[in-house]
Amino acid sequence: SQKIEQNSEALNIQEGKTATLTCNYTNYSPAYLQWYRQDPGRGPVFLLLIRENEKEKRKERLKVTFDTTLKQSLFHITASQPADSATYLCALDPGNTGGFKTIFGAGTRLFVKA
Amino acid sequence: EAGVVQSPRYKIIEKKQPVAFWCNPISGHNTLYWYLQNLGQGPELLIRYENEEAVDDSQLPKDRFSAERLKGVDSTLKIQPAELGDSAVYLCASSLQGGTGNEQFFGPGTRLTVL
Repeated sequence: SQKIEQNSEALNIQEGKTATLTCNYTNYSPAYLQWYRQDPGRGPVFLLLIRENEKEKRKERLKVTFDTTLKQSLFHITASQPADSATYLCALDPGNTGGFKTIFGAGTRLFVKA
Repeated sequence: EAGVVQSPRYKIIEKKQPVAFWCNPISGHNTLYWYLQNLGQGPELLIRYENEEAVDDSQLPKDRFSAERLKGVDSTLKIQPAELGDSAVYLCASSLQGGTGNEQFFGPGTRLTVL
């Protein structure tokens, strides 16, 4: 079965630096890979989606890369701000081969210090 | 535009009691999901509806959990009887349609504590 690995340890960075979060998966390459942000006591909020035939996607200060050879996605936040502190979830969308069931990773907590 | 609405936000019950959660998805969203999220973990799908049809309920513990979406709009998830291990956050999400590559919009969740 598909497994997702995200850094279980929290990531602490200084304001203004680039935060890089990793998402590794173990089985088949998903049709899509999504990143969500989750704040304490709230539901996840969609940030970005990248397709299996795309290498990179950008949205404002966010950048996602997708390497199907390494079975890995990297999520970057440039010029990080304290308001970026949250848990970031990687989600794999297997498409038809996986019955369209989105699988979420456990998330990585990010702390941005002022 | 209103987001996904869930109620109650918090629920504390004793074990063996029944409990129900309600979800109203974003207007026009045909697909509705119920997820369970344990502390420090990602959401795990319990059931997915396409309109009023449950198209994926393989992860729903059917001996004690049930769900319905009678008119293809709002939905109710029920647990009867609740067990200590059911303590978690129950998230509802919706998307315009099912299939692949669709952004999911989540509600705030219901935090269930079973004593």
